[in-house]
Amino acid sequence: GAGVSQSPSNKVTEKGKDVELRCDPISGHTALYWYRQSLGQGLEFLIYFQGNSAPDKSGLPSDRFSAERTGGSVSTLTIQRTQQEDSAVYLCASSLVVLAGGYNEQFFGPGTRLTVL
Amino acid sequence: AQKITQTQPGMFVQEKEAVTLDCTYDTSDPSYGLFWYKQPSSGEMIFLIYQGSYDQQNATEGRYSLNFQKARKSANLVISASQLGDSAMYFCAMREGQKAEKLTFGTGTRLTIIP
Repeated sequence: GAGVSQSPSNKVTEKGKDVELRCDPISGHTALYWYRQSLGQGLEFLIYFQGNSAPDKSGLPSDRFSAERTGGSVSTLTIQRTQQEDSAVYLCASSLVVLAGGYNEQFFGPGTRLTVL
Repeated sequence: AQKITQTQPGMFVQEKEAVTLDCTYDTSDPSYGLFWYKQPSSGEMIFLIYQGSYDQQNATEGRYSLNFQKARKSANLVISASQLGDSAMYFCAMREGQKAEKLTFGTGTRLTIIP
């Protein structure tokens, strides 16, 4: 079946502009995550959605970053007034259910490479 | 302090040899999970193996096994009989607590298999 998809695959923008990154999770997955991967680094957690619960926004680096998830499916990560340090690959992941004490394999999308000039 | 530490930025291994990728972690929560992901040059993250803090036995998945030493807080990934297709970045990650879902990642190890 279809995996996690993200669009665009590449985005080049000028400093100060706003950008929107889209994530389509695997159908039926209730949990959705956004991560950021800077060049040569590991993944950094940004935000997490689970069903109708309030999202965990603890990883958002500043108030320029926001995300929403409409209808429990598609999610959009918005970065306002982009800065050069926002340049990174933004990865989205989804998982089927959240099992207390168990593990929930997170399936990752291909990412969006954002370059801020 | 770093939650996940991967001390080997790069490794070169001869094809068909076994390789161990190191990972140490830091948490005070008794319930946690440890994950290994592979990231080829194409960029996708591929889940390899999982170890829960209460699991009695080391996890195994095909050629992958996890050497879980709880007292040392280490969760090394062992790849047996390495193949050229194993060349990639490998990330260790941790989930803390019963309900916490986000993963904390290490900085990764770049593994190169030499023919």
